[in-house]
Amino acid sequence: SQQGEEDPQALSIQEGENATMNCSYKTSINNLQWYRQNSGRGLVHLILIRSNEREKHSGRLRVTLDTSKKSSSLLITASRAADTASYFCATRRDTGNQFYFGTGTSLTVIP
Amino acid sequence: EAQVTQNPRYLITVTGKKLTVTCSQNMNHEYMSWYRQDPGLGLRQIYYSMNVEVTDKGDVPEGYKVSRKEKRNFPLILESPSPNQTSLYFCASSFANRGRDGYTFGSGTRLTVV
Repeated sequence: SQQGEEDPQALSIQEGENATMNCSYKTSINNLQWYRQNSGRGLVHLILIRSNEREKHSGRLRVTLDTSKKSSSLLITASRAADTASYFCATRRDTGNQFYFGTGTSLTVIP
Repeated sequence: EAQVTQNPRYLITVTGKKLTVTCSQNMNHEYMSWYRQDPGLGLRQIYYSMNVEVTDKGDVPEGYKVSRKEKRNFPLILESPSPNQTSLYFCASSFANRGRDGYTFGSGTRLTVV
């Protein structure tokens, strides 16, 4: 399986701090995406980074991609209590049509 | 509003009783997919479809069927549900172009098989 893995599994920070989550995957990819899931709800797409990109920003989110190390990181700056959720990375291979999700990082932001 | 609609949200059924979970999207997406989410295992792809009448197995297709007769609908069928299919199920859709967009997810169906 090409399932990605997020690290850490759980993260607890104070409001206002930055949160960094990492994702590793196994094979060549076309793009990598990050999603947020509030408890028991559907996943919400946050940001997509293509294999030829190294860094991307969207509001308080910063994503980096290192294809040589097969890893990505998601940085949430100035975290808020509303950022409390699980975060998943997902990869789409450069061949084939399957998406693979990691097991997620559970982020708790303490007010 | 652009969305993926799944029904039902909650379902309790008995072993062996056939059921269908419906999924519909209004974004003209070519690609649709079903996932199941279990604690500690993340999301695992069951089936996906690149377009009408084109379906393929994901990582965990056993015990499930799908069909794609219309572009907007992608129902998930459990012919003979078993307790190990108790899970949280998500339908998702996207444009087929690999780098165009991410998935749009439905709100989920929590299935319990007793």
